[in-house]
Amino acid sequence: AQSVTQLGSHVSVSEGALVLLRCNYSSSVPPYLFWYVQYPNQGLQLLLKYTSAATLVKGINGFEAEFKKSETSFHLTKPSAHMSDAAEYFCAVSLNTGRRALTFGSGTRLQVQP
Amino acid sequence: EAGVTQFPSHSVIEKGQTVTLRCDPISGHDNLYWYRRVMGKEIKFLLHFVKESKQDESGMPNNRFLAERTGGTYSTLKVQPAELEDSGVYFCASSRRLAGVGADTQYFGPGTRLTVL
Repeated sequence: AQSVTQLGSHVSVSEGALVLLRCNYSSSVPPYLFWYVQYPNQGLQLLLKYTSAATLVKGINGFEAEFKKSETSFHLTKPSAHMSDAAEYFCAVSLNTGRRALTFGSGTRLQVQP
Repeated sequence: EAGVTQFPSHSVIEKGQTVTLRCDPISGHDNLYWYRRVMGKEIKFLLHFVKESKQDESGMPNNRFLAERTGGTYSTLKVQPAELEDSGVYFCASSRRLAGVGADTQYFGPGTRLTVL
């Protein structure tokens, strides 16, 4: 079985500051890892995904994440926060098997202060 | 290309009533998924269709939930009879049929917010 832990249900940063959203996973087989973002009244949008190629993954809107097997982590970062980044972010894992269901973390709500 | 659409966006029903949620996936996507987020909890997988067949229904909570996907196009999720604990946001997602394992991108709809009173 797999699981995802997102540390911090709420994170607040100042505009222009570094964004760091933490995600740790547990998986018995090599995982695929995803970050999704949900803006108000919208569906989940894929930011980026790790599929066992490069460990540093670049996504949309200036976000990136690094897969660290030794730490079982896949933290999401952005060098400089923008007001439009305020949203809820979800880390998810699926297994390198035939099963395609995503297992999500509990989400982190990012607030960006002016 | 139109995204995943869900109807209705909100539904408020009384305990014991029946509700049917609809999902229209992206055209050409064989995979269709249902997920649910109960208030304050994580998003949880319910089931997965490949075309009209149920590939994985391990997340369905009980037999009050019935999902169908007629002709491999749109899908419905019926809750009958609804209970208070069924309240939450129900998301639908779709992805293309790709060979191999589960790295294909799932595209999510905006969700249906279900409130059971």
